[in-house]
Amino acid sequence: DAKTTQPPSMDCAEGRAANLPCNHSTISGNEYVYWYRQIHSQGPQYIIHGLKNNETNEMASLIITEDRKSSTLILPHATLRDTAVYYCIVDYGGATNKLIFGTGTLLAVQP
Amino acid sequence: EAGVTQFPSHSVIEKGQTVTLRCDPISGHDNLYWYRRVMGKEIKFLLHFVKESKQDESGMPNNRFLAERTGGTYSTLKVQPAELEDSGVYFCASSPFWDRADIQYFGAGTRLSVL
Repeated sequence: DAKTTQPPSMDCAEGRAANLPCNHSTISGNEYVYWYRQIHSQGPQYIIHGLKNNETNEMASLIITEDRKSSTLILPHATLRDTAVYYCIVDYGGATNKLIFGTGTLLAVQP
Repeated sequence: EAGVTQFPSHSVIEKGQTVTLRCDPISGHDNLYWYRRVMGKEIKFLLHFVKESKQDESGMPNNRFLAERTGGTYSTLKVQPAELEDSGVYFCASSPFWDRADIQYFGAGTRLSVL
């Protein structure tokens, strides 16, 4: 089972920031926090990852709390094309890097 | 650079038939993963290749599923015989190296419908 808890759905107005929370209270010290998303009918797409520090790339920002028990993915200016299911993943499930997907958050960007 | 490609994009077969799914990873990627999503469920890991070797096949549901990666390039996933519960979307992903921080690149998936 996934070690993360995410709200099942969220709405966001187009052009506004989307803030997607994730709880991972049982995360281990050496486990990364990954975010992927799946746009309808496509394969999952990597967004960003982090270990302890906040991270930013061209797609999003990742804020990880100091105790690492939760994180927030921020899409600074959401567009309609950002409507997707967003997955927060922290569990590799062992020595291999297999991803363990939970149910994710369906982000609906509204015009 | 081409991404991960999967073929076919959609397959419709009858129960008891055989189907073979193919995945071409990004060139040079040693790691190749298979995942699937069955109706109403989460995406689940099936197995992981490092080059031509099976590193982890703990997610393979039963012995009707056979995955191969001859020569460490493309991979095939054969379902024989197919059952109704095998219907779903099968995803392939690849990554360039074995590291705790590696990024997996996914294909668009093969939608399998078993009638």
